[in-house]
Amino acid sequence: KAGVTQTPRYLIKTRGQQVTLSCSPISGHRSVSWYQQTPGQGLQFLFEYFSETQRNKGNFPGRFSGRQFSNSRSEMNVSTLELGDSALYLCASSPTQAINEKLFFGSGTQLSVL
Amino acid sequence: AQSVTQPDIHITVSEGASLELRCNYSYGATPYLFWYVQSPGQGLQLLLKYFSGDTLVQGIKGFEAEFKRSQSSFNLRKPSVHWSDAAEYFCAVGANTGFQKLVFGTGTRLLVSP
Repeated sequence: KAGVTQTPRYLIKTRGQQVTLSCSPISGHRSVSWYQQTPGQGLQFLFEYFSETQRNKGNFPGRFSGRQFSNSRSEMNVSTLELGDSALYLCASSPTQAINEKLFFGSGTQLSVL
Repeated sequence: AQSVTQPDIHITVSEGASLELRCNYSYGATPYLFWYVQSPGQGLQLLLKYFSGDTLVQGIKGFEAEFKRSQSSFNLRKPSVHWSDAAEYFCAVGANTGFQKLVFGTGTRLLVSP
């Protein structure tokens, strides 16, 4: 069974641009979460989706948005990029939205904002 | 709100020696506790988790962790470290709120010396 796939693997953007990151969960998984990882802040929760519904959102500005499609694939979008948005963005999937589920993480998308 | 403290940023252990990584959490109710490992350029992989029951939990790759409510700790241990264990280790806490959000510690980077 294929793992969580995140595309692209690397991305370079300039300030003010917008970016869309994609996450394909493991087949059969309906829950997708996103985390931002930076050296200074560590892993910070961004969003949680289940069955196309955003169930929870972290403490990030409105420039960060996301969605989930009927096939459970998810995208996140960052508009008006800032230098501080440079980070590794990790997606995780699980079969259900229960807290005791194991999260399966992708390898992430490394975003660099110049 | 939950929080996690991993007091050791770096730890160096000789191959074959025992390992203990510290984790302290803050949460008013019974926590859901996890240890994840991240190898360079990779996503996170679940080592073990604790929700209830036996306070000593066994995980993959020979790791174990002990939940101590009185000390608000969930330390990770391994009796004999292998060079392949060199990675970054994250402790995380979740809450039984119906959401899957995890709060991660800042991580401990494990270096294994020959």
